[in-house]
Amino acid sequence: AQKITQTQPGMFVQEKEAVTLDCTYDTSDPSYGLFWYKQPSSGEMIFLIYQGSYDQQNATEGRYSLNFQKARKSANLVISASQLGDSAMYFCAMREAPIGGYNKLIFGAGTRLAVHP
Amino acid sequence: GAVVSQHPSWVICKSGTSVKIECRSLDFQATTMFWYRQFPKQSLMLMATSNEGSKATYEQGVEKDKFLINHASLTLSTLTVTSAHPEDSSFYICSASPPTSGPYEQYFGPGTRLTVT
Repeated sequence: AQKITQTQPGMFVQEKEAVTLDCTYDTSDPSYGLFWYKQPSSGEMIFLIYQGSYDQQNATEGRYSLNFQKARKSANLVISASQLGDSAMYFCAMREAPIGGYNKLIFGAGTRLAVHP
Repeated sequence: GAVVSQHPSWVICKSGTSVKIECRSLDFQATTMFWYRQFPKQSLMLMATSNEGSKATYEQGVEKDKFLINHASLTLSTLTVTSAHPEDSSFYICSASPPTSGPYEQYFGPGTRLTVT
């Protein structure tokens, strides 16, 4: 069974500093995808970044980068130059190779990030 | 980008009544839609996978007779919470998956907050 673990229930960071949110995963499938989503207090799920299991390079999207260490099964999110608007809940999620064509996502418990001025 | 809407955004109902939540893909056809439930301060839990023209696939532990899912068209899936009770109060989020594959495989709706009194 696949599993996503986020061990940091809450994180604090000073504005303009970088922060790393941890995510480890467990799967026996060689083909999988890893996602990070941001959920502000409004509840909407905002897609941040994606890493495929066969991708050779770490994914980057603006201030977001994914530190993908396949052997350690970790997919940490790095947010550079934190902004006050980054304060939100962050979820790591994994998709295994679709079974019957269904791209099911399994989510971690989440990390609440608070950015202080 | 692809847009998914949900209606209503919030609903209050009395115990014992049924509530219908709609999930629509506005600018793409969604052969597959997913329904998640999120309790306060918790992660998203997949409830069921909805496929147009066929029966939904429910996750283990989800009562299919209580949470009726109908995927009537390629742009609409509905979740009906039957005989709602206070413990069904939660944030319900749908996501839609377009037929073409890619990292942005699921687009999330804004969510529906259900409160059962």
